[in-house]
Amino acid sequence: EIVLTQSPGTLSLSPGERATLYCRASQSVYKNYFAWYLQKLGQAPRLLIHGASSRATGIADRFTGSGSGTDFTLTISRLEPEDFGVYYCQQYGSSPVTFGGGTKVEIK
Amino acid sequence: QVHLQESGPGLVKPSETLSLTCSVSGDSISNHYWSWVRQPPGERLEWIAYIYNSRTDFNPSLKSRVTISVDTSKNQISLRLTSVTAADTAVYYCASIPQYWGQGTLVTVSS
Repeated sequence: EIVLTQSPGTLSLSPGERATLYCRASQSVYKNYFAWYLQKLGQAPRLLIHGASSRATGIADRFTGSGSGTDFTLTISRLEPEDFGVYYCQQYGSSPVTFGGGTKVEIK
Repeated sequence: QVHLQESGPGLVKPSETLSLTCSVSGDSISNHYWSWVRQPPGERLEWIAYIYNSRTDFNPSLKSRVTISVDTSKNQISLRLTSVTAADTAVYYCASIPQYWGQGTLVTVSS
């Protein structure tokens, strides 16, 4: 099983600031089948990035996914109020599909 | 646009079987891999199983207790989880990973 470790656990930032989130995999992710999601309280995860770097439909270009193999990064260039919540990484290239423990992005 | 809607009992007694259904609209059920994912309160997401036509795969941690099936005539996916305990209390989502997710349904295991 591929274990995904996200860091930091919590990011305290102000609107307009830049956010950088990390996810490290215990093994190489097959074909970069890797995604980032944002989950708000009481809601389902919302897909932001798939294939490590492709923005999902309707996702603003302030979200950028990068990385390959075992190290992946999500960058939010300028935080908007709606960007605060918990971000999860996921690999879907190997069975079982696994998720990271999440990074909470909170308003400072 | 694919839309997913989970349904099923919100309360299940310990040792009984949890049964959920996911209704799919907007596309043929045969065109996608369908997964069930759950999230215990305050915890990370956990993938349970997937089905693609007749092909299935399971999380080893749950495999012995899980059945996943598809009803193409109704465009529905079903999940059965046997011998439930309080540790199975979670929001259960159906999804076509990574793109499409249902809103989720909370299932509480309690007597």
